[in-house]
Parts: sequence; structure tokens; C-alpha cells
Amino acid sequence: QSVLTQPPSVSAAPGQKVTISCSGSSSNIGNNYVSWYQQLPGTAPKLLIYDNNKRPSGIPDRFSGSKSGTSATLGITGLQTGDEADYYCGTWDSSLSAVWVFGGGTKLTVL
Amino acid sequence: EVQLVESGGGLVQPGGSLRLSCAASGFTFSSYEMNWVRQAPGKGLEWVSYISSSGSTIYYADSVKGRFTISRDNAKNSVYLQMNSLRAEDTAVYYCASLSKGIWGQGTMVTVSS
Repeated sequence: QSVLTQPPSVSAAPGQKVTISCSGSSSNIGNNYVSWYQQLPGTAPKLLIYDNNKRPSGIPDRFSGSKSGTSATLGITGLQTGDEADYYCGTWDSSLSAVWVFGGGTKLTVL
Repeated sequence: EVQLVESGGGLVQPGGSLRLSCAASGFTFSSYEMNWVRQAPGKGLEWVSYISSSGSTIYYADSVKGRFTISRDNAKNSVYLQMNSLRAEDTAVYYCASLSKGIWGQGTMVTVSS
């Protein structure tokens, strides 16, 4: 059971838009920056979004992040078959001791 | 090229020990925090441990506290994970990562089995 809750799977057609939610609490998302990671099959995770809505160099603007209260959202527009991957949100949690927490992951299928 | 390369994984019996290493290159290693993150086969990501840039602040996940020890050597641009009293549930790919800089290694597989 992950501290951050993500839907197990989402799907959409090529060219469409999809959003992936990440729900937490005041001890994590509510008071800390959120990052998003993409993990293509058989590869290491890759940072997509940091500080809630910032994109590292080289990440296309089809990927966007937002945060409101204790929830965060990853948006992907203009879906491509190459976007099929697992997506994870992550942030610090300071409920008892400082720990980094990940969501359970969301499998994106591009139909 | 910015890079993290893990090593030291392998097959170990329950109760055994293993030391993972992660060598950094292409960035100012001593300026960044480092973490170990693991992923059991077919499962999601699980954060394991954090060490600050100077090594003065360290955190562990409850699942490994008291059994794993993280350390770093900034002169060698390396971070380590000493894993003792290993259990079957520690079986996973172990990644070193600078979460703040968004750099991840390729991972090293640890299998705990008799």
C-alpha cells in the first residue's frame, strides 16, 4: 500500500491527452514539491517533472505537472506510442521521520 | 556525460550481506544528495535511503532501518549501500539516484535466495 495513490492504469488513443493523478496528504504532497518519473519497459526511471511543474532540459512540453492541495497531476498531450510506460509520482514525507515516497505507479497504454 | 554506474549486485543467501557501489561521473558529485531506490520484480519503486551531499544527514526506509547502511566518499565520487541480514523480500533491482538532479543509474540486481 503506497502512501501516494495513483490509478493503476490509464489509456488513450494516439494524439489524445491523458492525465494521471497522485493523491497524498498534508505530510507529503501538501507541504512538499512533487516529481514525476517515466519508466519505459526494462529501463531505469527518468525524471519528467520536478518542483510540481518544472521540466528538465530535454523533456518536451507535451508533459506538464500541476499541484493543488494534497493532490498532483501529470498531463501528457499529443500521445505517442513511445509514451507507453509506467509513471510514478514522488515527494518527501515528513509524518514521523523524513522519507521519500513514491506512488504505486500508473501504466499508460496508448491504444 | 552525466552518469551513475552501480555494481556489486548478485545472488546471496538469506541472512547474508552485500555491498553495493555507485560511481558518479560528469557532474559535481559532492554538491548533490544521493539515494538508493529499489524495485522488486514486477513491482513499483521503493525508496531505500538518502544521504546528504556532505554525508552528515542520512535517512532510511523503515523496511531497511537497522540492516542497511548508506555512505559516500566524495573524493572517489561514490556512494555505497551496505546490506546486512538480507531477506527474500530485499530481492530487487537497486538504483542509485540523485533525486534532486534527476540522475539515475541503470540498476544492479540483488537476489536473496537459498
